[in-house]
Amino acid sequence: EVQLVESGGGLVQPGGSLRLSCAASGFTLSSYWMSWVRQAPGKGLEWVANIKQDGSDKYYVDSVRGRFTISRDNAENSLYLQMNSLRAEDTAVYHCARGEIGNLNYFDYWGQGTLVTVSS
Amino acid sequence: DIQMTQSPSSLSASVGDRVTITCRASQGISNWLAWYQQKPEKAPKSLIYAVSSLQSGVPSRFSGSGSGTDFTLTISSLQPEDFATYFCQQYNSYPLTFGGGTKVEIK
Repeated sequence: EVQLVESGGGLVQPGGSLRLSCAASGFTLSSYWMSWVRQAPGKGLEWVANIKQDGSDKYYVDSVRGRFTISRDNAENSLYLQMNSLRAEDTAVYHCARGEIGNLNYFDYWGQGTLVTVSS
Repeated sequence: DIQMTQSPSSLSASVGDRVTITCRASQGISNWLAWYQQKPEKAPKSLIYAVSSLQSGVPSRFSGSGSGTDFTLTISSLQPEDFATYFCQQYNSYPLTFGGGTKVEIK
């Protein structure tokens, strides 16, 4: 059974940093592109970033580029999102999601998410 | 960026009704269109990819159609477990973008 379990969320002040983790199981992480997708309270879904199977290629939405860094450790079956210079508008539930073998993909499995609240 | 516009934003329907949700892309996305279902406090669930391909395990009452810029998700006979919010997503180009969602409520 494919499982994605996020952790690392919490309350952080504006300008602060947080590192999210996603533990993957039930499939071979190294075979798939992986993404982070966020959802602000009561709002829709926003794709944040994705990363190629070997970590050699990464894409970001403009609003986080230069502040967030996506990474992965296939040996540890884990995906990460380092978030720096956090702003109030980054407040959201952050989901990790499995993509496909190729670039530009949809998401067939999602984690439950971890809540990030940016507030003073 | 490709904007995805869903309509309606919400609808009320009864069990057994046929429900259609529309998603329009601001430019052509070929067949790179997916649909998701989300229930409150739950992760989104994949329903359909490549416009009309049903994800494994998804009931056949769900179907997708369309091409280019206009797409639809149809639920042929609404069931109690289908009351949820539905999102479309384009994966033709970066940034990957979602529609605003359609909330399907009980009439």
